[in-house]
Amino acid sequence: GAVVSQHPSRVICKSGTSVKIECRSLDFQATTMFWYRQFPKQSLMLMATSNEGSKATYEQGVEKDKFLINHASLTLSTLTVTSAHPEDSSFYICSAPNGDTQYFGPGTRLTVL
Amino acid sequence: KNQVEQSPQSLIILEGKNCTLQCNYTVSPFSNLRWYKQDTGRGPVSLTIMTFSENTKSNGRYTATLDADTKQSSLHITASQLSDSASYICVVSSTGGGNKLTFGTGTQLKVEL
Repeated sequence: GAVVSQHPSRVICKSGTSVKIECRSLDFQATTMFWYRQFPKQSLMLMATSNEGSKATYEQGVEKDKFLINHASLTLSTLTVTSAHPEDSSFYICSAPNGDTQYFGPGTRLTVL
Repeated sequence: KNQVEQSPQSLIILEGKNCTLQCNYTVSPFSNLRWYKQDTGRGPVSLTIMTFSENTKSNGRYTATLDADTKQSSLHITASQLSDSASYICVVSSTGGGNKLTFGTGTQLKVEL
């Protein structure tokens, strides 16, 4: 089946630094990708929709300037957490649709000290 | 407001036993319903997907049912294995607003010896 990868799988950074997370569709093209955040024992919360060749669409309450999204190609979307703070520590997951199915990446665990 | 509710919140069963997880939704207009398995620290993996006209779908030891009239779905796991221990998430897709997904909070299943 289709595969979505994320890099890195785990990152620890100091408060105030920026962190970039990559999401790639390995064997299919995706004009749209989705970014989610998941806190412990909670469900995935959609943060934004990444659109190839145009601006991302952000969900209500998600700061555009803090979570920068770039969909540079049909197989790559990046999420940059700018000036990260401890409250940004979370599990970030991307997904990409292929046909009727949404394929999820393995997730990136971000810990901000 | 679109909502997906799952029960039970958590469940512990003995290896080899069967179990059934429930999902109730109030998503409109309805497109499809998916069950995902999410291992700890990993991204969700698709188990089944059902459209409005489908009542049941199987994937190995997993069997999902859908009653579109009552807006209920279930996931039945047969002859459970230790590797079935995970969070099972019910996700309902709406045709409105760009095929948006509504996630349930998941059922945390633990299979013990």
